[in-house]
Amino acid sequence: DTAVSQTPKYLVTQMGNDKSIKCEQNLGHDTMYWYKQDSKKFLKIMFSYNNKELIINETVPNRFSPKSPDKAHLNLHINSLELGDSAVYFCASSQGLGARWGLGYTFGSGTRLTVV
Amino acid sequence: TQLLEQSPQFLSIQEGENLTVYCNSSSVFSSLQWYRQEPGEGPVLLVTVVTGGEVKKLKRLTFQFGDARKDSSLHITAAQPGDTGLYLCAGRGGNKLTFGGGTRVLVKP
Repeated sequence: DTAVSQTPKYLVTQMGNDKSIKCEQNLGHDTMYWYKQDSKKFLKIMFSYNNKELIINETVPNRFSPKSPDKAHLNLHINSLELGDSAVYFCASSQGLGARWGLGYTFGSGTRLTVV
Repeated sequence: TQLLEQSPQFLSIQEGENLTVYCNSSSVFSSLQWYRQEPGEGPVLLVTVVTGGEVKKLKRLTFQFGDARKDSSLHITAAQPGDTGLYLCAGRGGNKLTFGGGTRVLVKP
């Protein structure tokens, strides 16, 4: 059983297109995240949802819009894709917002987005 | 903005050697985590350290949290090819987990 699953695994698309990445977790966690990992492997938080409520929204272009229909799902929609959006996008989940220090994040295996 | 710097960025060693990876910040973190990431996969949690000066051991891996909770180190004893991967430290401040830039470790047989 995959704990955090993302689809698709690979996405190649042209500039200007709109695309979505889906994420689902079966761990019963109440918090989900989107991270972007660039070519230098730097992981940067984009968004975080707790119980379907947006709690972290980093400096991300408004072309990126997350949606959480329920606690187990967090999708990422990207409008008007640009070359600089090419990266690996990771979904993650955790229980709580950090009150339980010992609990880490569970990551999906990533979606490699290539904009051509 | 809380920043975490990892050093070195890349480390190549022979099987059986020891290695240490460092994670430093000017900010204080309430806890610090170490993850390992393999190609094509997401990061996987190795350990969480919470108390300043805390030392945790996971088989051949030893993790230490600095007394001031601003830095951490990961030491691997007698490294094996299976230890190859990208090691990431991540510090928690408030609701956010901030990652360092990673250290790529290559252990040659």
